[in-house]
Amino acid sequence: DAKTTQPTSMDCAEGRAANLPCNHSTISGNEYVYWYRQIHSQGPQYIIHGLKNNETNEMASLIITEDRKSSTLILPHATLRDTAVYYCIVRVVYNNNDMRFGAGTRLTVKP
Amino acid sequence: GAVVSQHPSWVICKSGTSVKIECRSLDFQATTMFWYRQFPKQSLMLMATSNEGSKATYEQGVEKDKFLINHASLTLSTLTVTSAHPEDSSFYICSASRWDRVGEQFFGPGTRLTVL
Repeated sequence: DAKTTQPTSMDCAEGRAANLPCNHSTISGNEYVYWYRQIHSQGPQYIIHGLKNNETNEMASLIITEDRKSSTLILPHATLRDTAVYYCIVRVVYNNNDMRFGAGTRLTVKP
Repeated sequence: GAVVSQHPSWVICKSGTSVKIECRSLDFQATTMFWYRQFPKQSLMLMATSNEGSKATYEQGVEKDKFLINHASLTLSTLTVTSAHPEDSSFYICSASRWDRVGEQFFGPGTRLTVL
């Protein structure tokens, strides 16, 4: 699986958009970009994933650059409850394959 | 759907004892279950992959005789930490995948183990 690089930490004001970048310059054509988050002392929570098109769901939007070497997770209106560690994971998708976590970005939403 | 539970949510034990952690898929049959360990302020580290009815596949550096994994049914996997020591104190998290949601993993809430 391709390696990812994320900033160690970020701050965001409550109510503003949080934009979390992820670099995956060695991504292969068949690898997807997944985003999970982990609130303190809980299990990881799925947010969104995509291959090459931008994706949006009720939680967030995922913007993937045209060359697929980087992506940005956007939380449109961050709340205090969005404070968590956000993990960007790049992986091939097939049944039952594992998921490897990097260091992630610790996002702190401030009032 | 796709809820995974873990029991217990936390456990404190004496050094030298064994502790069993259960991971259950509540509303689906899990084709594969995964066990992770997370030390404070660190990321999740995959320990092993478990398929129902077969032996678990352990990651390099994880002692299979110390971390016994049993995957007896499509909804239950157990992790037993044998002869636990203080350095085994950690947050243990399981996840499960299902055949009809390829690529997704559903995570449990985690179990915090403290060995005194």
